[in-house]
Amino acid sequence: AQKITQTQPGMFVQEKEAVTLDCTYDTSDQSYGLFWYKQPSSGEMIFLIYQGSYDEQNATEGRYSLNFQKARKSANLVISASQLGDSAMYFCAMGPPSGNTGKLIFGQGTTLQVKP
Amino acid sequence: GAVVSQHPSRVICKSGTSVKIECRSLDFQATTMFWYRQFPKKSLMLMATSNEGSKATYEQGVEKDKFLINHASLTLSTLTVTSAHPEDSSFYICSASSRGQGNQPQHFGDGTRLSIL
Repeated sequence: AQKITQTQPGMFVQEKEAVTLDCTYDTSDQSYGLFWYKQPSSGEMIFLIYQGSYDEQNATEGRYSLNFQKARKSANLVISASQLGDSAMYFCAMGPPSGNTGKLIFGQGTTLQVKP
Repeated sequence: GAVVSQHPSRVICKSGTSVKIECRSLDFQATTMFWYRQFPKKSLMLMATSNEGSKATYEQGVEKDKFLINHASLTLSTLTVTSAHPEDSSFYICSASSRGQGNQPQHFGDGTRLSIL
């Protein structure tokens, strides 16, 4: 069975600093995708970044980067130069690789608060 | 592209009322739609998966007769909470999926906050 674990219920970061949100996963699939979503207090799910299991390079999208360590089954999200608007709940998820449909398995989430 | 509209965004109603939530894919055909439930500060819990033209597949523990799902077309799925009670109050989110939609396997609606008095 697939499982996603986020062990940090809450995190604080000072504005303009970098922060790492942890995510570990477990699967017996060879091909899969790893995703990070941001959910502000308004509730919408905002897609941030994708990493394919066969991608050799870590994914980056602007201030977001994914530290993918396949052997350790971890997919940590790094947010650089934190902004007040980054305060939200963040979910790590596992699902099908790019271009495919299928279920997403979500972690428990991490609430990030950015301090001015 | 890949916009999903969910309506209503918020609904407050009396106990015993049935409530219908719509999920529409606006600019693509969604072969599969998903319905999630989320409690405050918790993760998204998958309730059911629906494929156009066929019966929904419910996750274990989800009451089929309480949460009726219809996926009548490639752009519309509905979730009806029948005879709603206060314990059904929650945040419900839909997502829509289609092959070839880039890196995102699902595109999410903005959610519906349901409050049963």
